[in-house]
Amino acid sequence: NAGVTQTPKFQVLKTGQSMTLQCAQDMNHEYMSWYRQDPGMGLRLIHYSVGAGITDQGEVPNGYNVSRSTTEDFPLRLLSAAPSQTSVYFCASRPTWTGVGEQYFGPGTRLTVT
Amino acid sequence: DAKTTQPPSMDCAEGRAANLPCNHSTISGNEYVYWYRQIHSQGPQYIIHGLKNNETNEMASLIITEDRKSSTLILPHATLRDTAVYYCIVRGSKNSGGSNYKLTFGKGTLLTVNP
Repeated sequence: NAGVTQTPKFQVLKTGQSMTLQCAQDMNHEYMSWYRQDPGMGLRLIHYSVGAGITDQGEVPNGYNVSRSTTEDFPLRLLSAAPSQTSVYFCASRPTWTGVGEQYFGPGTRLTVT
Repeated sequence: DAKTTQPPSMDCAEGRAANLPCNHSTISGNEYVYWYRQIHSQGPQYIIHGLKNNETNEMASLIITEDRKSSTLILPHATLRDTAVYYCIVRGSKNSGGSNYKLTFGKGTLLTVNP
């Protein structure tokens, strides 16, 4: 298994541009989520999905959209990038929303908005 | 949601045991204690979890007090590669009757293992 993969690894955007951060997992996990991590901070939950077709907002959802058309993929869309969205973005998955056990994280996407 | 309190930083000598404390005095009876670590901006890595009993795996041991208000993660023989930020998190599960399913991160403890 490749686990949780994220692309791209690095991205630089200009203010106002849009882009999609890709996340995929090959473990047939129901639950997937996106976090952002700012310098010196813990991870903050942006959006999450408990299964294909079901998404919900986390702690800091503004400026981001998600959709979950397949079990494997959970892309994060930045609609109009702002410097405040400069951060490291982590995608994560685990077998189920309600179950016990490990949550797997991707390697991260480092985004800079100028 | 139960909150956790951890010291911001700790030091440990290489080869010695590292004992990382966590306070979760508002934990509910159906919430698990999870530990993750993050090595230098990599994605967080799961270490261990427990409900009431002490747990041990190949990476660490988790000691939970009888009243469940605090826990300690023990790395028995710390190496330089264990230098990381360690996060203590409480989360529920359906099989334990919990309803808090989100994995919410605080600032964690930066453990520095010194040669």
